[in-house]
Amino acid sequence: EAQVTQNPRYLITVTGKKLTVTCSQNMNHEYMSWYRQDPGLGLRQIYYSMNVEVTDKGDVPEGYKVSRKEKRNFPLILESPSPNQTSLYFCASRFSGQGVNQPQHFGDGTRLSIL
Amino acid sequence: SQQGEEDPQALSIQEGENATMNCSYKTSINNLQWYRQNSGRGLVHLILIRSNEREKHSGRLRVTLDTSKKSSSLLITASRAADTASYFCATDPDSGTYKYIFGTGTRLKVLA
Repeated sequence: EAQVTQNPRYLITVTGKKLTVTCSQNMNHEYMSWYRQDPGLGLRQIYYSMNVEVTDKGDVPEGYKVSRKEKRNFPLILESPSPNQTSLYFCASRFSGQGVNQPQHFGDGTRLSIL
Repeated sequence: SQQGEEDPQALSIQEGENATMNCSYKTSINNLQWYRQNSGRGLVHLILIRSNEREKHSGRLRVTLDTSKKSSSLLITASRAADTASYFCATDPDSGTYKYIFGTGTRLKVLA
């Protein structure tokens, strides 16, 4: 089954403790992206990747890191989490190329609480 | 940062009625996409309309796009209780970047 898998689904942690949210897709998509969703703000893009070893900042990259060493995986790293990063996070992927006009496929989300 | 805007923010209708929600955006685009999100779950793609298209249908969904006004609408006909969800528009900008811009969403409630 074609899917985007995020782990963990839920995490409660404390300020400053490094964490990684994993994202994996099995559709051979070149493009992958991370979003955060906050009430009243919709989805905001954190980072995206056009392909292996190619990443770029979205609208809200501060406090986050990503890496794309393999095509299928795109982990989101919070080196020193803070309470303002408490949010619902989504990973998404699609076939790449501007003008390709392909929809994104989303994971089920990771709910992070930073105390 | 630029964000799309959707209206209404919330909509409550009776089963069988039509639901219309609107999306406005700020940049030129390659395409505009509509997604549905059930409470707390991932987004599911509904329909994609390219910048050179004006109207598109998929089952009970009808999407229009007016690039001169930078706006789109999603019509759900003969709504069902199962259509209760949040609906988001997302634009794929024609800017040389690959950043998606999502609207803030419309919460639709269909009453049985």
